Amino acid sequence: NAGVTQTPKFQVLKTGQSMTLQCAQDMNHNSMYWYRQDPGMGLRLIYYSASEGTTDKGEVPNGYNVSRLNKREFSLRLESAAPSQTSVYFCASSEVSGDEQFFGPGTRLTVL
Amino acid sequence: AQSVTQLDSQVPVFEEAPVELRCNYSSSVSVYLFWYVQYPNQGLQLLLKYLSGSTLVESINGFEAEFNKSQTSFHLRKPSVHISDTAEYFCAVSAGNTPLVFGKGTRLSVIA
Repeated sequence: NAGVTQTPKFQVLKTGQSMTLQCAQDMNHNSMYWYRQDPGMGLRLIYYSASEGTTDKGEVPNGYNVSRLNKREFSLRLESAAPSQTSVYFCASSEVSGDEQFFGPGTRLTVL
Repeated sequence: AQSVTQLDSQVPVFEEAPVELRCNYSSSVSVYLFWYVQYPNQGLQLLLKYLSGSTLVESINGFEAEFNKSQTSFHLRKPSVHISDTAEYFCAVSAGNTPLVFGKGTRLSVIA
């Protein structure tokens, strides 16, 4: 089992460009999450999907959109990237919301 | 809502010395508690968790944490650290049906 996979691993964008971060899990989990990690700030929840067909805002949703494409896949979209969105992005999944989460390897995004 | 405070942002310790990483949480309901470890340039991995039952939980690599309800704490301890324990450690709390809330992390540096 691959667990949680994320693509791409690295990305450099110019201000105003758009992009989609992809996440997939093969553990048949119901819940999926997107976090950003910044130095000294820990992990902050951007959006989550408690189950297929539902999505909810987390702590820092502004500037992002998400799509729960099916039970396996949960994508994060930046419509118009800003330098403040330079960060490391992690996707995670769990069997149900509130349970132990399994993390992907992360995407390191730089917005110039 | 739940919150987590990790009381130390950085903890330097000599190899083979004991270490304690402190975590306090706030919640008005019963909680689940987790410790995750993040090695450089990797995603987070679960170290140990408390769901119910025995208040002392252990990991396979010698770490342990004790749930103290009266002090709302879940401190992580290891009696003798190794160089390979150098990493960032995150405490997290969940009310059971809500996403995990993470602390800001404690960077453990083991000095030879």
